[in-house]
Amino acid sequence: SQQGEEDPQALSIQEGENATMNCSYKTSINNLQWYRQNSGRGLVHLILIRSNEREKHSGRLRVTLDTSKKSSSLLITASRAADTASYFCALSGNTPLVFGKGTRLSVIA
Amino acid sequence: DTGVSQDPRHKITKRGQNVTFRCDPISEHNRLYWYRQTLGQGPEFLTYFQNEAQLEKSRLLSDRFSAERPKGSFSTLEIQRTEQGDSAMYLCASSYQAGGEQYFGPGTRLTVT
Repeated sequence: SQQGEEDPQALSIQEGENATMNCSYKTSINNLQWYRQNSGRGLVHLILIRSNEREKHSGRLRVTLDTSKKSSSLLITASRAADTASYFCALSGNTPLVFGKGTRLSVIA
Repeated sequence: DTGVSQDPRHKITKRGQNVTFRCDPISEHNRLYWYRQTLGQGPEFLTYFQNEAQLEKSRLLSDRFSAERPKGSFSTLEIQRTEQGDSAMYLCASSYQAGGEQYFGPGTRLTVT
């Protein structure tokens, strides 16, 4: 399969804790993107990391990419109830974006 | 609001009927994408356009599905002879660069009864 696989499928944490989710893939990529989807705002782009980058930050988000292991992780620090959503990794290579099945994150206040 | 818009937001139709959805991308974006998403799954690529040219279609896209982008601006997705298995959220996205970040619309939820 060309799609990424997120792990875990579901994650429940307390507000203020950090959340880490992972994405593994099997194909070559140009970049890897993370998206968030909740009922209120639909699917929103969070961060893009290129294949020659190892780490990227955006606010409370930290993404790492290990192309030798074909894996990426998304860390959300100091989580808030508003972070409750599904998070998808999407692979960009020679074909249009391929999304995984997502990690469902619940942040409990 | 200059984001991606989709119309209608919801569509209920009877099996066998034809339906058409519209997507208006961000005006500066020349790439437009259609996806389908079912419950518990990520978006599944259907087709995409660069300007008015349809560059790729998913092999999963049956002949009942057709998409157009006649003037390189808005796009329509038509499903002919709908089946219950077509029930899903249909998402449209646009981007400025190939392989770059995509901006998604709110989606059209199709229910086939």
